[in-house]
Amino acid sequence: QQQVKQSPQSLIVQKGGISIINCAYENTAFDYFPWYQQFPGKGPALLIAIRPDVSEKKEGRFTISFNKSAKQFSLHIMDSQPGDSATYFCAASINGGSQGNLIFGKGTKLSVKP
Amino acid sequence: DTAVSQTPKYLVTQMGNDKSIKCEQNLGHDTMYWYKQDSKKFLKIMFSYNNKELIINETVPNRFSPKSPDKAHLNLHINSLELGDSAVYFCASSHRGLGLGGDSPLHFGNGTRLTVT
Repeated sequence: QQQVKQSPQSLIVQKGGISIINCAYENTAFDYFPWYQQFPGKGPALLIAIRPDVSEKKEGRFTISFNKSAKQFSLHIMDSQPGDSATYFCAASINGGSQGNLIFGKGTKLSVKP
Repeated sequence: DTAVSQTPKYLVTQMGNDKSIKCEQNLGHDTMYWYKQDSKKFLKIMFSYNNKELIINETVPNRFSPKSPDKAHLNLHINSLELGDSAVYFCASSHRGLGLGGDSPLHFGNGTRLTVT
């Protein structure tokens, strides 16, 4: 049973374009939704996170949109750059944001073409 | 000044062997974790220790045994290695928050790629 479903599996975007990655969850007890970015040979690193009391959070070129009723959230990367090429993971957790029990999506490999 | 460091980076071994992976964090965090990333990049938590006490133990074969000598170290020992154990193992740490404030973000090491032949 996959609790966090992520799509697409891979994504190719031209430089300057918008990258959009979607996630859907099942457990309504989830109350913390982070996105992690992973470069080859490195561990994942927190990119941006949101709690369900807001519908959108923006940090620079990265925006999370959250739809509580639909149990969906998405990552938007504006003005995508080749340096953004990486694997992106959405995740979710319960217990007031305890990150130790993060449930990860299966990841999206993003390639930004120059 | 690496925050979460794991050794070794690569580990190639034969089936049936016993091996260990070491992890150390210098962030002053009180909670450490082991995650497994399979060949399809799927990340799944295996164990979590808070102040040397086991708090998360997912369904993992008991051939895997974590050991935390102090809150800055969490080692993973694997007995009788099997082909299916081949994966990248990530150590991570965080500071466990109290109440609704939540924890600090997970800081991952760069992984140990284990190949069992």
